[in-house]
Amino acid sequence: DAMVIQNPRYQVTQFGKPVTLSCSQTLNHNVMYWYQQKSSQAPKLLFHYYDKDFNNEADTPDNFQSRRPNTSFCFLDIRSPGLGDAAMYLCATSKEQGLSYEQYFGPGTRLTVT
Amino acid sequence: SQELEQSPQSLIVQEGKNLTINCTSSKTLYGLYWYKQKYGEGLIFLMMLQKGGEEKSHEKITAKLDEKKQQSSLHITASQPSHAGIYLCGATPRGSNYKLTFGKGTLLTVNP
Repeated sequence: DAMVIQNPRYQVTQFGKPVTLSCSQTLNHNVMYWYQQKSSQAPKLLFHYYDKDFNNEADTPDNFQSRRPNTSFCFLDIRSPGLGDAAMYLCATSKEQGLSYEQYFGPGTRLTVT
Repeated sequence: SQELEQSPQSLIVQEGKNLTINCTSSKTLYGLYWYKQKYGEGLIFLMMLQKGGEEKSHEKITAKLDEKKQQSSLHITASQPSHAGIYLCGATPRGSNYKLTFGKGTLLTVNP
């Protein structure tokens, strides 16, 4: 089945130690997104790729970076994780098609910072 | 920025009861999405509404967008334990189909 896959599902990192979260998709969608969702809060968009074009949200901290080496893969790099970066990180994809931009979400990676 | 207010924040119903969740926007809605999230998991797309007065149904779930396009409701008929989860409304602003802003969600519990 076509889907959005996130690895790992659970990630523990130390304060200040760089960490990379991975997302892959078999949907062949041209847009990929990264969201941060803290406990009991709404998902918050960090950035998205439209094809190879990177679009950063204005309030996304510089500590967060992303790479999209090809259509299928997208990575979220956190350069120096702080305790406040502990959250669920959700990857999503969408295909530009008419007026519908339905986003398909992966299961998320829960990041713990110790 | 667009803000979405969801009500109620949480809801406990007995299996078989009907329920409604509301989503109100501070600005005109150009794309309104409903998602469901099980605890600790990703979001599952339910429905998307764009036109004033639009109504869509899937199985026992019906979503409506009011004529003024500032309020949407999600109605579940004859609720089942499988309906339990967090329901999130999300909206995209005019001119951008990518920036999806979510409400804080409504936690639904269905007691058997």
